Amino acid sequence: EVRLEESGGGLVQPGRSLTLSCAASGFTFDDYAMHWVRQAPGKGLEWVSGISYDGERLEYADSMKGRFTISRENAKKSLYLQMNSLRPEDTALYFCVKDMRGVGASALDMWGLGTMVTVS
Amino acid sequence: SYVLTQPPSVSVAPGQTATITCGGDDIESKSVHWYQQRPGQAPVLVVYEDSDRPSGIPERFSGSNSGNTATLTISRVEAGDEADFYCQVWESSNNDRVFGGGTKLTVL
Repeated sequence: EVRLEESGGGLVQPGRSLTLSCAASGFTFDDYAMHWVRQAPGKGLEWVSGISYDGERLEYADSMKGRFTISRENAKKSLYLQMNSLRPEDTALYFCVKDMRGVGASALDMWGLGTMVTVS
Repeated sequence: SYVLTQPPSVSVAPGQTATITCGGDDIESKSVHWYQQRPGQAPVLVVYEDSDRPSGIPERFSGSNSGNTATLTISRVEAGDEADFYCQVWESSNNDRVFGGGTKLTVL
């Protein structure tokens, strides 16, 4: 069974930093690209960042560039999101998401339950 | 940036067919994916690459894409289908994954 378990969320002051983690199991982690997608309370889905299967290709939504850093440790089957200079508008539920493929533009086929980040 | 436009809400009676649209400039040139998010749950992929279904998704869910509109069709709607639905594409010009604003499906 594919499982994605996020952790690291919490309450943080504006301007501070936070690092999210995602532990993956149930699939060959280093075969697939991974992403972070967020959802502000009562709002829609917003793609945050993605990383290729080998960690070589990093992608960010424009509003996150320069503040967020995505990374992965394939040996630990883990995905990370370091978030700096946090703003109140970054308050959201952050989902760890598996891509259908290793690189390129494909669908997001497995989602974790999310970890809540509150910037206040 | 690329914009995907969805109706905020769609209502349908049980047993009828629900149609949810996703509008975008020349969207037929892109692969469209659809996600279902029930209240309090994580999203689930229900259609990918315009019209394919992941394993475990009922055949009642189908998709199409033509011109400036992609469509998710849910046949023989059930009460359990009530959820928010999101379309999504990859915008190649800036490697951005773009989501539509979401459509709330209400089963009357």
